[in-house]
Amino acid sequence: AQTVTQSQPEMSVQEAETVTLSCTYDTSESDYYLFWYKQPPSRQMILVIRQEAYKQQNATENRFSVNFQKAAKSFSLKISDSQLGDAAMYFCAYRSAIGDKIIFGKGTRLHILP
Amino acid sequence: DTGVSQDPRHKITKRGQNVTFRCDPISEHNRLYWYRQTLGQGPEFLTYFQNEAQLEKSRLLSDRFSAERPKGSFSTLEIQRTEQGDSAMYLCASSPGHGPGQPQHFGDGTRLSIL
Repeated sequence: AQTVTQSQPEMSVQEAETVTLSCTYDTSESDYYLFWYKQPPSRQMILVIRQEAYKQQNATENRFSVNFQKAAKSFSLKISDSQLGDAAMYFCAYRSAIGDKIIFGKGTRLHILP
Repeated sequence: DTGVSQDPRHKITKRGQNVTFRCDPISEHNRLYWYRQTLGQGPEFLTYFQNEAQLEKSRLLSDRFSAERPKGSFSTLEIQRTEQGDSAMYLCASSPGHGPGQPQHFGDGTRLSIL
């Protein structure tokens, strides 16, 4: 069974600085998708970024980028120029290419310090 | 696109009562998912539908839980004889279903509190 591990329950970063959230996963599959979701205090889950496992190029979305290391089964999220609105729970998630359910990690709560 | 809508936002009930939640997916999304999120945890998959067909159920979904999507549009999740451990946020998500790796769009959730 696939698992997703986020080893940092909480992190803090100064506004305008860069922060990296860690995620590792375990799977025996070769084709899958990885996601980072953001859940602000209002609690609606929002997709931040998506990575296809068959793509070597790391995904980027504006200030958000990932470092995808397939062999190491690592998928970290880098947030550049942190803003107060980035404060939220961040969930790393895995989805098999042949299934539909998403497996989430336990999350990392990110605090932005003004 | 009005997003995924869930009703009610909050539900407080006594142990042993039945509760029903509703989810309206984004129109034309043929896949609909239910997740449960307890405090301090990530969402856990419960079940999902493609159109009206329920294709997968988690072992978390005991026989007290039932989900339906009768016409392939909105879905309901019913919990019978609620227990303290059912207290959680119940999240619904939908996706277009075509093409691999389509992201799931989540609703605001229904927070269930069992007294």
